[in-house]
Amino acid sequence: GAGVSQSPRYKVAKRGQDVALRCDPISGHVSLFWYQQALGQGPEFLTYFQNEAQLDKSGLPSDRFFAERPEGSVSTLKIQRTQQEDSAVYLCASSPRLAGDPYNEQFFGPGTRLTVL
Amino acid sequence: QQQVKQSPQSLIVQKGGISIINCAYENTAFDYFPWYQQFPGKGPALLIAIRPDVSEKKEGRFTISFNKSAKQFSLHIMDSQPGDSATYFCAASITGKLIFGQGTELSVKP
Repeated sequence: GAGVSQSPRYKVAKRGQDVALRCDPISGHVSLFWYQQALGQGPEFLTYFQNEAQLDKSGLPSDRFFAERPEGSVSTLKIQRTQQEDSAVYLCASSPRLAGDPYNEQFFGPGTRLTVL
Repeated sequence: QQQVKQSPQSLIVQKGGISIINCAYENTAFDYFPWYQQFPGKGPALLIAIRPDVSEKKEGRFTISFNKSAKQFSLHIMDSQPGDSATYFCAASITGKLIFGQGTELSVKP
């Protein structure tokens, strides 16, 4: 079946531009997570949703980062006034379990590689 | 206290050998410990996971050993194959969100 999809796969932005990254989770999955993966590092948690509710946004690095999931399905991560340090792969994951469930198998998408020039 | 420390950073193993990757954590509130495998250009894929009330879990060639008192856990890959060459991440879950280790780049030589 279809897995988690993300678009675009690659995005090049000039410093100061706004970008929007899209995540299509596995159909029916309740929880959706965003992670940021710098080159050569492990993914770092940004935020997560349970249905349309954003339950934890403690990992968002600044107020330039904003995420939404208005209908409890597709999610968008928006970065305003991009900076060079925002360059990374942005990963989306979804899970059929509630967001706070500890045994929460998360299925990852291929990521969006953002390069800020 | 939220960190998960992973070692080694890179590992070279001969085909048929055993690959061992270690992780350590401090926060006793972590309640689930998965391992992920990541190939270049792909997202991480769940390999195997363990709960803290279990000391060992085996699935095929992959085994997790978990030492709760030492706050350490490890991944063993038996009979390593060239197709296992990838980056491996340990992780720990707290309130459902994953805290990842820094990753181990495994290369299995034929």
